Amino acid sequence: SYELIQPPSVSVSPGQTASITCSGDELGHKYASWYQQKPGQSPVLVIYQDTKRPSGIPERFSGSNSGNTATLTISGTQAMDEADYYCQAWDSTARVFGTGTKVTVL
Amino acid sequence: EVQLVESGGGLIQPGGSLRLSCAASGLTVSSNYMTWVRQAPGKGLEWLSLIYSDGNTYYADSVRGRFTISRDNSKNILYLQMNSLRAEDTAVYYCAREVNTYASYYFDYWGQGTLVTVSS
Repeated sequence: SYELIQPPSVSVSPGQTASITCSGDELGHKYASWYQQKPGQSPVLVIYQDTKRPSGIPERFSGSNSGNTATLTISGTQAMDEADYYCQAWDSTARVFGTGTKVTVL
Repeated sequence: EVQLVESGGGLIQPGGSLRLSCAASGLTVSSNYMTWVRQAPGKGLEWLSLIYSDGNTYYADSVRGRFTISRDNSKNILYLQMNSLRAEDTAVYYCAREVNTYASYYFDYWGQGTLVTVSS
């Protein structure tokens, strides 16, 4: 089955840039999406179709996808960005989530 | 405004059955691609099942044959019938709307989740 692998954790200082990777076989040939989930809350879509931001998502969130890796970048990270982040793609008729990354803003 | 509200969770014994509901407002369930996702305590998101607007259904290997997704068009409700429940099915269950365009599939609206605990 298709797997999407993310680093378990990423630490970043306030105002700095956080990059979260998502690796999967030929992921660059698919569209990737990203979700933010804060404790006790439902996931929120922050990036879709590799690079697009839904309405209401700050510009500091951006995405890219090439080769086997999709990347979510948070520029000028704020304390409110501390959360779990999941990538998501598809394989045939199944949908697949990444293993998840906890972003800590130190 | 789109709202998805799950219900039906609770404590159930291993081997038991439970039906989850997802009541939608602001969107028509039958006209959309709808999905169920779960999250075990302290774990990541796991996709479970999908129903297309044409009625076709798809399942993750982990639940195929035990879980059934369906909808009631007149009530605008999505369901997940869960049978032969196991301890490892303990999780918060979310319904979500999938946006499905050519080669692009993502979930833009999510419910608040309902907790299912499988334990004796």
